[in-house]
Amino acid sequence: EIVLTQSPGTLSLSPGERATLSCRASQSVSISSLVWYKQKPGQAPRLLIYGASRRAAGIPDRFSGSGSGTDFTLTISRLEPEDFAVYYCQYYGNSPRVFTFGPGTTVDIK
Amino acid sequence: EVQLVESGGGLVQPGGSLRLSCVGSGFIFSGYSMTWVRQAPGKGLEWISHIESGGYNKDYGDSVRGRFTISRDNAENSLYLQMNSLRAEDTAVYYCARLIRYGDSVVFESWGQGTLVTVSS
Repeated sequence: EIVLTQSPGTLSLSPGERATLSCRASQSVSISSLVWYKQKPGQAPRLLIYGASRRAAGIPDRFSGSGSGTDFTLTISRLEPEDFAVYYCQYYGNSPRVFTFGPGTTVDIK
Repeated sequence: EVQLVESGGGLVQPGGSLRLSCVGSGFIFSGYSMTWVRQAPGKGLEWISHIESGGYNKDYGDSVRGRFTISRDNAENSLYLQMNSLRAEDTAVYYCARLIRYGDSVVFESWGQGTLVTVSS
């Protein structure tokens, strides 16, 4: 069973600053299986990044994903007010089919 | 525009049952795998079940396997989650989501607004 760990738990930053969020898998996973979502309070999650580094439709280019193996990173180059939210990484496994979320990283306003 | 609307949540006693529904519109419902994800109050996201487009292949998370059953009616553009033997720890907002495959990647591309299930005496 693959477990995802996200760090830090909370990131306190100011608008305009750079945010670097980490997602670590308990064993090596394929790049295609790593996805990032964003969730604002009271809202459903929204797809951000798939395949570790590919932005979903409509996602601004200040969001970027990278990584491979067990270590993945979501970077927000310059925080906008709407970026303060919780970010989850997710793993997709096909045999057996399972979707595992990390515990999330909260990006809040400093 | 893709829309997913959940319903059926509410207050239920421990040991009770509840059936959630999710109606899809703005897309060809029968062409997509669907999933249920839940979020306990103040907690993170937990995947609980997945069903392929034809309704034959189903998967469950460990915490609900044997108690919850996912199903769909493509003629009605509807997804269901039958929840039995409910426990306090099943209290959560339940989201349905549409799956999209981008190459080898499988993602939850569209989400409903969620329906709250509260299990309490």
